[in-house]
Amino acid sequence: EVQLVQSGAEVKKPGESLKISCKDSGYSFSTYWIGWVRQMPGKGLEWMGIIFPGDSDTRYSPSFQGQVTISADKSINTAYLQWSSLKASDTAMYYCARGPPGTVWFDPWGQGTLVTVSS
Amino acid sequence: QSVLTQPPSASGTPGQRVTISCSGSSSNIGRNTVNWYQQLPGTAPKLLIYSNNQRPSGVPDRFSGSKSGTSASLAISGLQSEDEADYYCAAWDDSLNGRGVFGTGTKVTVL
Repeated sequence: EVQLVQSGAEVKKPGESLKISCKDSGYSFSTYWIGWVRQMPGKGLEWMGIIFPGDSDTRYSPSFQGQVTISADKSINTAYLQWSSLKASDTAMYYCARGPPGTVWFDPWGQGTLVTVSS
Repeated sequence: QSVLTQPPSASGTPGQRVTISCSGSSSNIGRNTVNWYQQLPGTAPKLLIYSNNQRPSGVPDRFSGSKSGTSASLAISGLQSEDEADYYCAAWDDSLNGRGVFGTGTKVTVL
C-alpha cells in the first residue's frame, strides 16, 4: 500500500525559513506527480502546486508562485515545500498528495503538517 | 479564492438523499473532469469520486457523481451518520497557464 508520510508539526516566528517534507513509501516515486494543498484554519482546500520528481518539472498556482518553493529528492523518495521568510498568514495545515497535472486527482494523501507562525 | 462554487451547507436525516452542487466555468468544469473529496473532521481529505462519476475501490455506491456543462453534482443516497463531513469538488482550470482549483466546500450534517 502506497503511503505518504509527512514531517511533524512546526512552530516558527515570522521571518524564519522552513522546509517540510513528504516521503513516499512506494516504489515508483519518480514516475508520479506529487502535489501540495493548503488548508488555513477553518477554511477550504487550496491547490498550491505539483512536481514530477523524475525531472523536477514543477507547476505552481499563481497564488503561490514566488511565495513557496516545491522540490523533490528522488534518491530518497521525498518531496518538499519550503518558505524563505514565513508570515503569520502562512499558518495552516499543509497536505501532500500523489496526482498528475491536468486534473485534481489526488490519491493517496499524506496525514498533513501543521505549520504555526507566531511571534 | 475558489473559482468553483458550492453551497456552504447541506443536511438530511438518515436514509435521505442529499445532493451537492459545484458550479464552475468553461475554463474548468466545462472542459475538464471533476473529482470529489470527503474530509472527515480532523483528517486528511479522501478521494471520493474521480473522472466525474467513477468511484475508487472501497467507496460505497451510495456516493455518485455527475457533470453537465459547467456544473457538477455529488449525490449521497441512503445518508448515514458517518457521512457527516466536508465535501469538496475539484477540477483543472486551463486559465493562467493551468492550475488546479477546489470548490468552496460543503458541510454535510446528518440530522
